[in-house]
Amino acid sequence: ETGVTQTPRHLVMGMTNKKSLKCEQHLGHNAMYWYKQSAKKPLELMFVYNFKEQTENNSVPSRFSPECPNSSHLFLHLHTLQPEDSALYLCASSQDRPGTYGYTFGSGTRLTVV
Amino acid sequence: DQQVKQNSPSLSVQEGRISILNCDYTNSMFDYFLWYKKYPAEGPTFLISISSIKDKNEDGRFTVFLNKSAKHLSLHIVPSQPGDSAVYFCAASEQGGSEKLVFGKGTKLTVNP
Repeated sequence: ETGVTQTPRHLVMGMTNKKSLKCEQHLGHNAMYWYKQSAKKPLELMFVYNFKEQTENNSVPSRFSPECPNSSHLFLHLHTLQPEDSALYLCASSQDRPGTYGYTFGSGTRLTVV
Repeated sequence: DQQVKQNSPSLSVQEGRISILNCDYTNSMFDYFLWYKKYPAEGPTFLISISSIKDKNEDGRFTVFLNKSAKHLSLHIVPSQPGDSAVYFCAASEQGGSEKLVFGKGTKLTVNP
């Protein structure tokens, strides 16, 4: 498989559940990202990992917990979420700085918190 | 404060005509600008980019223009096709080694047959 793969594509969870989103990239990139897309808002950067090390946490609530075991895999662990956390969560990867070619995005996970 | 702004949430164009999508930015440290296209239920896909040392970059039907003094860029699609109907995001990255892209809210383009 090529590109950036995200699973699951859709997720419905209760506010007391714990779930995880998974992202895998097959491009040999060294940086991976989590973005959140809510309706009528810009894409919001959540976390940046570069060579497995977290380099940015954009003031994200602790109910979102990222994990990057290696340069190809990125997880977002979710617990005690709120309905306003319902959104499209996008994973992306890049080689070094986004620069000329930007990121390669996955198809996203559509999360609904009930 | 939004550093990348797309002030038109939507644009409707007739097939075969030109589509012009606009983007303004406030951070003078941005050195690369990119356009992404997004279909429903898919992630954004890279379309075209421009470096701050250029004022124009062309790739087939897509041309991006950069006006640094006005902190403005635009994406021209000529001729527009129904398959171009999507949400278009403007994004920028900053000098100095930061890995992140800053995105606008997007403009939904509809190309009518």
